[in-house]
Amino acid sequence: DTEVTQTPKHLVMGMTNKKSLKCEQHMGHRAMYWYKQKAKKPPELMFVYSYEKLSINESVPSRFSPECPNSSLLNLHLHALQPEDSALYLCASSQAVAETEAFFGQGTRLTVV
Amino acid sequence: GEDVEQSLFLSVREGDSSVINCTYTDSSSTYLYWYKQEPGAGLQLLTYIFSNMDMKQDQRLTVLLNKKDKHLSLRIADTQTGDSAIYFCAERNSGGYQKVTFGTGTKLQVIP
Repeated sequence: DTEVTQTPKHLVMGMTNKKSLKCEQHMGHRAMYWYKQKAKKPPELMFVYSYEKLSINESVPSRFSPECPNSSLLNLHLHALQPEDSALYLCASSQAVAETEAFFGQGTRLTVV
Repeated sequence: GEDVEQSLFLSVREGDSSVINCTYTDSSSTYLYWYKQEPGAGLQLLTYIFSNMDMKQDQRLTVLLNKKDKHLSLRIADTQTGDSAIYFCAERNSGGYQKVTFGTGTKLQVIP
């Protein structure tokens, strides 16, 4: 199993809603990542978790709140988002932070209305 | 900071070779990657090269690295319509948590 599974695939939410994005991998990877990708742009790193602890927060606004409940799961809690937060949110995992290969999920297409 | 640049668009005929180029500025890069992204999908790692190598071949894919000029290329032989996608190069630096920086992406259009 070399898959990173993200749910939901699409999400539309209002600016006052609270929602969560989920990411799951069963490859035994100990590093997991959230990326944000705007249309026609490269992915931008948001958060890095290593051994279930937050290692890196790339100055992401607090309306995005990551959580790593166990080594297989990574969540991104969303609250009071803005329309400009609409993007494809990608989760990735790797054996460890410095590992060569990172595996990406298919992403969640988020639209904030 | 790190900067990774690519041309935005490339159009080739089916069966021809495609060459996608990438330049980067970080001289401490350890690994360089090529990812493929189809519309609405996540990123698929195609291949990677360690910075002390100058070439890597994997079936239809050939990666060339000129470390002196900080230039990376991906050659796809016998390009097929299924190769139409956006291709991102990415570099991993050697500092801190070895951040991966993605290039701007090249959209490859394969004409039947």
